[in-house]
Amino acid sequence: DGGITQSPKYLFRKEGQNVTLSCEQNLNHDAMYWYRQDPGQGLRLIYYSQIVNDFQKGDIAEGYSVSREKKESFPLTVTSAQKNPTAFYLCASSIGSLDTQYFGPGTRLTVL
Amino acid sequence: KQEVTQIPAALSVPEGENLVLNCSFTDSAIYNLQWFRQDPGKGLTSLLLIQSSQREQTSGRLNASLDKSSGRSTLYIAASQPGDSATYLCAAPDSNYQLIWGAGTKLIIKP
Repeated sequence: DGGITQSPKYLFRKEGQNVTLSCEQNLNHDAMYWYRQDPGQGLRLIYYSQIVNDFQKGDIAEGYSVSREKKESFPLTVTSAQKNPTAFYLCASSIGSLDTQYFGPGTRLTVL
Repeated sequence: KQEVTQIPAALSVPEGENLVLNCSFTDSAIYNLQWFRQDPGKGLTSLLLIQSSQREQTSGRLNASLDKSSGRSTLYIAASQPGDSATYLCAAPDSNYQLIWGAGTKLIIKP
Protein backbone atom coordinates (compact mmCIF):
# COMPACT_ATOMS: atom_id res chain seq x y z
CA ASP A 1 0.00 0.00 0.00
CA GLY A 2 1.33 3.42 -0.93
CA GLY A 3 0.66 6.34 1.34
CA ILE A 4 1.70 8.63 4.13
CA THR A 5 1.87 7.63 7.76
CA GLN A 6 2.07 9.89 10.79
CA SER A 7 2.79 8.89 14.34
CA PRO A 8 1.71 9.11 17.01
CA LYS A 9 -1.98 9.82 16.48
CA TYR A 10 -2.21 11.62 19.83
CA LEU A 11 0.65 13.30 21.70
CA PHE A 12 0.74 15.05 25.03
CA ARG A 13 3.49 17.46 25.93
CA LYS A 14 4.41 19.09 29.17
CA GLU A 15 5.51 22.69 29.33
CA GLY A 16 9.19 23.06 28.38
CA GLN A 17 9.45 19.76 26.49
CA ASN A 18 10.47 19.22 22.90
CA VAL A 19 8.48 16.59 21.00
CA THR A 20 8.99 15.06 17.56
CA LEU A 21 6.22 14.11 15.16
CA SER A 22 6.96 11.45 12.60
CA CYS A 23 5.98 11.56 8.91
CA GLU A 24 6.88 8.81 6.44
CA GLN A 25 5.84 8.35 2.79
CA ASN A 26 6.40 5.52 0.32
CA LEU A 27 5.01 7.37 -2.69
CA ASN A 28 8.48 8.34 -3.93
CA HIS A 29 7.46 12.00 -3.77
CA ASP A 30 10.11 14.69 -3.79
CA ALA A 31 8.13 17.36 -1.94
CA MET A 32 6.92 17.11 1.65
CA TYR A 33 5.06 19.57 3.87
CA TRP A 34 4.01 20.20 7.46
CA TYR A 35 0.82 22.09 8.22
CA ARG A 36 -0.86 23.19 11.39
CA GLN A 37 -4.66 23.22 11.63
CA ASP A 38 -6.57 25.14 14.31
CA PRO A 39 -10.37 25.07 14.72
CA GLY A 40 -12.18 27.27 12.21
CA GLN A 41 -9.02 28.20 10.34
CA GLY A 42 -7.42 27.13 7.12
CA LEU A 43 -4.22 25.10 7.12
CA ARG A 44 -1.04 27.05 7.77
CA LEU A 45 2.31 25.98 6.38
CA ILE A 46 5.07 25.36 8.93
CA TYR A 47 7.92 23.96 6.78
CA TYR A 48 8.30 22.39 3.38
CA SER A 49 10.99 20.44 1.57
CA GLN A 50 11.30 20.06 -2.18
CA ILE A 51 14.30 17.73 -2.11
CA VAL A 52 16.39 15.70 0.30
CA ASN A 53 18.70 17.74 2.57
CA ASP A 54 16.85 20.96 1.78
CA PHE A 55 13.86 22.64 3.43
CA GLN A 56 12.32 26.10 3.71
CA LYS A 57 10.31 27.93 6.34
CA GLY A 58 6.62 28.42 5.85
CA ASP A 59 4.44 31.14 7.34
CA ILE A 60 4.63 29.94 10.96
CA ALA A 61 8.05 28.27 11.37
CA GLU A 62 8.95 29.90 14.69
CA GLY A 63 9.25 27.32 17.45
CA TYR A 64 9.46 24.39 15.02
CA SER A 65 12.33 22.54 13.35
CA VAL A 66 12.57 19.83 10.67
CA SER A 67 15.08 17.59 8.93
CA ARG A 68 15.02 15.82 5.56
CA GLU A 69 17.84 13.30 5.63
CA LYS A 70 15.89 10.70 3.64
CA LYS A 71 13.44 11.13 0.79
CA GLU A 72 10.71 9.21 2.59
CA SER A 73 10.99 10.90 6.00
CA PHE A 74 10.27 14.46 7.18
CA PRO A 75 10.06 14.65 11.00
CA LEU A 76 8.83 17.78 12.76
CA THR A 77 10.09 18.85 16.18
CA VAL A 78 7.92 21.15 18.25
CA THR A 79 10.27 22.96 20.58
CA SER A 80 9.62 24.61 23.92
CA ALA A 81 9.90 27.95 22.10
CA GLN A 82 6.51 27.34 20.44
CA LYS A 83 4.17 29.22 22.76
CA ASN A 84 0.87 27.67 21.72
CA PRO A 85 1.55 24.24 20.22
CA THR A 86 -1.83 22.63 20.91
CA ALA A 87 -3.20 21.89 17.43
CA PHE A 88 -3.73 19.24 14.77
CA TYR A 89 -0.60 18.66 12.68
CA LEU A 90 -0.82 17.37 9.13
CA CYS A 91 1.97 16.07 6.91
CA ALA A 92 1.62 15.94 3.13
CA SER A 93 3.66 15.04 0.09
CA SER A 94 3.51 15.66 -3.64
CA ILE A 95 5.47 14.81 -6.77
CA GLY A 96 6.27 18.47 -7.31
CA SER A 97 5.28 21.82 -5.85
CA LEU A 98 2.25 22.33 -8.12
CA ASP A 99 0.98 18.76 -8.00
CA THR A 100 -1.78 17.21 -5.92
CA GLN A 101 -0.86 16.93 -2.28
CA TYR A 102 -1.51 13.68 -0.40
CA PHE A 103 -2.05 13.85 3.33
CA GLY A 104 -1.35 11.66 6.31
CA PRO A 105 -3.95 11.02 9.04
CA GLY A 106 -2.59 13.74 11.33
CA THR A 107 -1.22 14.03 14.86
CA ARG A 108 -3.17 15.83 17.57
CA LEU A 109 -0.78 17.52 20.00
CA THR A 110 -1.99 18.72 23.37
CA VAL A 111 0.06 20.68 25.89
CA LEU A 112 -0.69 19.75 29.48
CA LYS B 1 -0.71 38.16 -1.80
CA GLN B 2 -3.12 35.35 -2.50
CA GLU B 3 -6.09 35.05 -0.15
CA VAL B 4 -8.67 32.27 -0.29
CA THR B 5 -12.16 32.54 1.19
CA GLN B 6 -14.94 30.00 1.56
CA ILE B 7 -18.47 31.09 2.33
CA PRO B 8 -20.59 29.84 4.02
CA ALA B 9 -18.66 28.25 6.89
CA ALA B 10 -21.40 25.64 7.28
CA LEU B 11 -24.21 24.30 5.11
CA SER B 12 -26.99 21.81 5.83
CA VAL B 13 -29.13 20.31 3.05
CA PRO B 14 -31.53 17.36 2.71
CA GLU B 15 -30.32 14.17 1.13
CA GLY B 16 -30.72 13.99 -2.63
CA GLU B 17 -30.30 17.70 -3.32
CA ASN B 18 -27.72 19.09 -5.69
CA LEU B 19 -25.51 21.69 -4.05
CA VAL B 20 -22.72 24.16 -4.76
CA LEU B 21 -19.79 25.06 -2.54
CA ASN B 22 -17.97 28.32 -3.16
CA CYS B 23 -14.32 29.31 -3.10
CA SER B 24 -13.02 32.82 -3.84
CA PHE B 25 -9.44 33.90 -4.44
CA THR B 26 -7.88 37.34 -4.81
CA ASP B 27 -5.02 36.75 -7.26
CA SER B 28 -6.35 35.59 -10.62
CA ALA B 29 -2.87 34.55 -11.81
CA ILE B 30 -3.21 31.13 -10.24
CA TYR B 31 -1.53 27.96 -11.49
CA ASN B 32 -4.33 25.68 -10.35
CA LEU B 33 -6.95 25.25 -7.67
CA GLN B 34 -7.46 22.17 -5.54
CA TRP B 35 -10.48 20.86 -3.65
CA PHE B 36 -10.13 18.56 -0.66
CA ARG B 37 -12.42 16.75 1.73
CA GLN B 38 -11.74 16.31 5.45
CA ASP B 39 -13.68 14.01 7.76
CA PRO B 40 -13.66 14.88 11.50
CA GLY B 41 -10.29 14.19 13.11
CA LYS B 42 -8.81 12.88 9.87
CA GLY B 43 -6.37 13.96 7.22
CA LEU B 44 -7.38 15.53 3.91
CA THR B 45 -8.36 13.66 0.78
CA SER B 46 -7.79 15.25 -2.60
CA LEU B 47 -10.98 15.50 -4.67
CA LEU B 48 -10.12 17.51 -7.76
CA LEU B 49 -7.28 19.62 -9.11
CA ILE B 50 -8.29 22.06 -11.83
CA GLN B 51 -5.54 23.64 -13.88
CA SER B 52 -5.58 27.34 -14.76
CA SER B 53 -6.13 26.44 -18.42
CA GLN B 54 -9.24 24.39 -17.59
CA ARG B 55 -12.79 25.57 -16.97
CA GLU B 56 -14.08 22.37 -15.39
CA GLN B 57 -12.97 19.07 -13.91
CA THR B 58 -15.24 16.16 -13.09
CA SER B 59 -14.99 13.09 -10.89
CA GLY B 60 -18.12 11.01 -10.41
CA ARG B 61 -20.82 13.17 -8.79
CA LEU B 62 -18.37 16.04 -8.29
CA ASN B 63 -17.73 18.86 -10.72
CA ALA B 64 -15.34 21.73 -10.07
CA SER B 65 -15.35 24.90 -12.12
CA LEU B 66 -12.81 27.69 -12.31
CA ASP B 67 -13.41 31.29 -13.37
CA LYS B 68 -10.16 33.21 -13.05
CA SER B 69 -11.65 36.52 -14.19
CA SER B 70 -14.10 36.56 -11.29
CA GLY B 71 -11.71 34.91 -8.82
CA ARG B 72 -14.12 32.09 -8.13
CA SER B 73 -14.26 28.31 -8.10
CA THR B 74 -17.28 26.18 -7.33
CA LEU B 75 -17.63 22.55 -6.33
CA TYR B 76 -20.90 21.04 -7.47
CA ILE B 77 -22.12 17.88 -5.74
CA ALA B 78 -24.95 16.04 -7.47
CA ALA B 79 -27.54 13.92 -5.68
CA SER B 80 -26.03 14.45 -2.23
CA GLN B 81 -25.77 11.54 0.19
CA PRO B 82 -25.22 11.40 3.97
CA GLY B 83 -21.73 10.06 3.27
CA ASP B 84 -20.89 13.38 1.63
CA SER B 85 -21.03 15.04 5.06
CA ALA B 86 -17.56 16.46 5.72
CA THR B 87 -15.61 19.69 5.59
CA TYR B 88 -14.61 20.77 2.10
CA LEU B 89 -11.51 22.90 1.64
CA CYS B 90 -10.11 24.67 -1.38
CA ALA B 91 -6.55 25.87 -1.89
CA ALA B 92 -4.58 27.77 -4.51
CA PRO B 93 -0.80 28.16 -4.87
CA ASP B 94 0.83 31.51 -4.21
CA SER B 95 3.77 32.95 -6.17
CA ASN B 96 6.13 30.61 -4.27
CA TYR B 97 4.00 27.60 -5.31
CA GLN B 98 2.84 27.04 -1.74
CA LEU B 99 -0.84 26.40 -1.13
CA ILE B 100 -3.00 29.10 0.45
CA TRP B 101 -6.04 27.56 2.12
CA GLY B 102 -9.63 28.54 2.69
CA ALA B 103 -11.08 27.85 6.15
CA GLY B 104 -13.49 25.30 4.71
CA THR B 105 -17.22 24.72 4.45
CA LYS B 106 -18.70 22.16 6.83
CA LEU B 107 -21.36 20.25 4.91
CA ILE B 108 -24.11 18.27 6.62
CA ILE B 109 -26.41 16.10 4.53
CA LYS B 110 -29.60 15.30 6.42
CA PRO B 111 -31.09 11.82 5.77
